[in-house]
Amino acid sequence: RKEVEQDPGPFNVPEGATVAFNCTYSNSASQSFFWYRQDCRKEPKLLMSVYSSGNEDGRFTAQLNRASQYISLLIRDSKLSDSATYLCAVNRASNAGNMLTFGGGTRLMVKP
Amino acid sequence: GAGVSQSPSNKVTEKGKDVELRCDPISGHTALYWYRQRLGQGLEFLIYFQGNSAPDKSGLPSDRFSAERTGESVSTLTIQRTQQEDSAVYLCASSFRRDQYFGPGTRLLVL
Repeated sequence: RKEVEQDPGPFNVPEGATVAFNCTYSNSASQSFFWYRQDCRKEPKLLMSVYSSGNEDGRFTAQLNRASQYISLLIRDSKLSDSATYLCAVNRASNAGNMLTFGGGTRLMVKP
Repeated sequence: GAGVSQSPSNKVTEKGKDVELRCDPISGHTALYWYRQRLGQGLEFLIYFQGNSAPDKSGLPSDRFSAERTGESVSTLTIQRTQQEDSAVYLCASSFRRDQYFGPGTRLLVL
């Protein structure tokens, strides 16, 4: 089993739709969780950290479910500009630093 | 402010040659990471530097790969005797606390 797994998609949704992605992780001791956005042929950009209580940033909501070991990203009112690959990242709790293990990414395509 | 920068942006080399990739982290960021991303795949951790501590090299795929960092500044990733399977985007990231910020990457193509 991979340390961090994501459905590769693609998720094809119309503008205005609500879409949600999940990301599962295998190390129950992991403590830090993140969502990154990666546009084609670009570097990943930090979208949001995921806190235990869940957090919201505009149209984006991230949640953590420790019992089931997954994090989620919800995008409301999808825009064409949301089309990208969304990568989840989990810290490698076996070290003292903050090395991240990334999922393979979920591709989102928002259509007019 | 200035973000993470990497050079060269693209590198084409012949199998068997050595290559050196450079990363300039964000000023003040004590941690620096190298990742590799093959086409259509996720990021693969390579090596991690934190301040003056010994680097964590646990992700390096073979002894052909090495990296150095001078203090809390520039880092270089060296790949010796390149192979075609080394073709990928090599991404550098830096952080002060938890959040990692990525550079634009170096696209390496080994012919």
